[in-house]
Amino acid sequence: GAVVSQHPSWVICKSGTSVKIECRSLDFQATTMFWYRQFPKQSLMLMATSNEGSKATYEQGVEKDKFLINHASLTLSTLTVTSAHPEDSSFYICSASPTGSSYEQYFGPGTRLTVT
Amino acid sequence: GIQVEQSPPDLILQEGANSTLRCNFSDSVNNLQWFHQNPWGQLINLFYIPSGTKQNGRLSATTVATERYSLLYISSSQTTDSGVYFCAANQAGTALIFGKGTTLSVSS
Repeated sequence: GAVVSQHPSWVICKSGTSVKIECRSLDFQATTMFWYRQFPKQSLMLMATSNEGSKATYEQGVEKDKFLINHASLTLSTLTVTSAHPEDSSFYICSASPTGSSYEQYFGPGTRLTVT
Repeated sequence: GIQVEQSPPDLILQEGANSTLRCNFSDSVNNLQWFHQNPWGQLINLFYIPSGTKQNGRLSATTVATERYSLLYISSSQTTDSGVYFCAANQAGTALIFGKGTTLSVSS
């Protein structure tokens, strides 16, 4: 149980285009989902906290107009990287916290984004 | 927010050796987890251990919550243990915060 999927697993896009990444909790409902970014040989950095039905909370330094987060249902959150640039190339990982749990998080397999 | 520090940043071992990885955290936590990140980036959860001691095969972990640290022990290391080990902690209702990781290299 407690499986989180991400789609796509990898994507290559051209500079200036937008890319949408989906994060799904497959066997549980998640009121809260989290988005992390990981650059090569670095740790995971929290980008934003996504709550179902409300606006996401972004960490300091993360542009909310560039990284659009939508958590429209209890099993799906999406991250859209708008007007992508090469410096947005990174590994994006989502996690989901089961409804009713205040600290458990289950992680997706990640999405590798390359912007050319 | 919570700060998580891991040491050492890098560790090189011969196969068969034992190792200890350390994680310090700056405040009381409700959750502490150890992860191994595989070469494809997937985080493999090793232990959920906000306090106490747990063992799983050659791996074991101990968290001393009152002193705000956790230790991950790897015994009889194998080449397949190589990779990055992360410690992450959170308080209720907040996201897991990750340390910078320990990169382990085990050679045969």
